[in-house]
Amino acid sequence: QVQLVQSGAEVKKPGSSVKVSCKASGGTFSSYAISWVRQAPGQGLEWMGGIIPIFGTANYAQKFQGRVTITADKSTSTAYMELSSLRSEDTAVYYCARVNYDFWSGLGDYYMDVWGKGTTVTVSS
Amino acid sequence: DIVMTQTPLSSPVTLGQPASISCRSSQSLVHSDGNTYLSWLQQRPGQPPRLLIYKISNRFSGVPDRFSGSGAGTDFTLKISRVEAEDVGVYYCMQATQFPALTFGGGTKVEIK
Repeated sequence: QVQLVQSGAEVKKPGSSVKVSCKASGGTFSSYAISWVRQAPGQGLEWMGGIIPIFGTANYAQKFQGRVTITADKSTSTAYMELSSLRSEDTAVYYCARVNYDFWSGLGDYYMDVWGKGTTVTVSS
Repeated sequence: DIVMTQTPLSSPVTLGQPASISCRSSQSLVHSDGNTYLSWLQQRPGQPPRLLIYKISNRFSGVPDRFSGSGAGTDFTLKISRVEAEDVGVYYCMQATQFPALTFGGGTKVEIK
């Protein structure tokens, strides 16, 4: 069974950047999309963007365009989300999740079946 | 972008009684492949989200059969036939018809009266 293991909590200064990792184990990584979703304290879920490692192409929510970079390393089955120019409003839990569609075989459906436990990012001066 | 609107914001329920959550999308969620990629997620306090239902009405592995989904086009419903204490949390609908762009509803909090 696929598991997504995220990196640990971060505390950052305003204006700096943070890079969160999401390592997949127990299954195929490259041909499934990984999405990044964040949740500010007491708020709902917000999609930030995603990547299909086998293609290397990333897509971003318009809100985060220019500030977020999502990458993937197929050799280590790890996806990364880097957010720059951090501000206090970026304080949130950041989740990675797998979309259960295999872009190699064309099998599966578009839903997020496996989630990481989340990484808390605190932005504070 | 598709906007997902959930009602109610909060649903106080007596243990053993049913609960119902509505989700409306700003445009049809029918994909060009004929499928409707509407999912429901549960988030218990302090936990990451967990998939309950996909493609409107398909229960994910391990999800109790007291959870059911229905709907079509732009209107969808999640029902819990008999609420149990472990069902407390926030429920989100999510569309993936516009994949890779995904959007979530604002969430509905289910709590025990």
